Amino acid sequence: GENVEQHPSTLSVQEGDSAVIKCTYSDSASNYFPWYKQELGKRPQLIIDIRSNVGEKKDQRIAVTLNKTAKHFSLHITETQPEDSAVYFCAASRGYGQNFVFGPGTRLSVLP
Amino acid sequence: DGGITQSPKYLFRKEGQNVTLSCEQNLNHDAMYWYRQDPGQGLRLIYYSQIVNDFQKGDIAEGYSVSREKKESFPLTVTSAQKNPTAFYLCASTLGPQNTEAFFGQGTRLTVV
Repeated sequence: GENVEQHPSTLSVQEGDSAVIKCTYSDSASNYFPWYKQELGKRPQLIIDIRSNVGEKKDQRIAVTLNKTAKHFSLHITETQPEDSAVYFCAASRGYGQNFVFGPGTRLSVLP
Repeated sequence: DGGITQSPKYLFRKEGQNVTLSCEQNLNHDAMYWYRQDPGQGLRLIYYSQIVNDFQKGDIAEGYSVSREKKESFPLTVTSAQKNPTAFYLCASTLGPQNTEAFFGQGTRLTVV
């Protein structure tokens, strides 16, 4: 089955700097890769996703890149702000009828 | 906020008791999922259901049971066979046929006392 690894497990950056979180997956049939943000005590919420037919997707300060050959995808947050502090989860899915496999999460702290 | 609702928010269970966690969605989503989240860890899949009256075991199904009698509802029972049930439980749903956003409930924190 699919296995998703995520690095780093914790990340501290200064406000205004960039943050990068990387995930690798094992199943070459996976074709959908979402990223979720979970603030303390709250539910995870989708922040960006990418499908296997696209190499990069951007939404304001957030971008995701996908390298299908190497089977890894990354979340990039630019101009970080204190409200970006949260746990971020990546996930992979093979498609119809298949469930998501989540990475273990990255705790991002943005220091003022 | 809304769309998928979990109850209760906090639940206490005595050892040896079964408890049922509720998950209801009004998004008309076909697929529903139960995840367990332990401190500092990711989301581990307990059970999932793609259609009514059908469900599949996830990675950590032992000690849990589910039912999917209605499209809107996917309750999770934590049985006495689950030896370490204290955790945060999250229910989610997706539209179904295609990979789309998973909407999560607000979670239930279960504590064994």
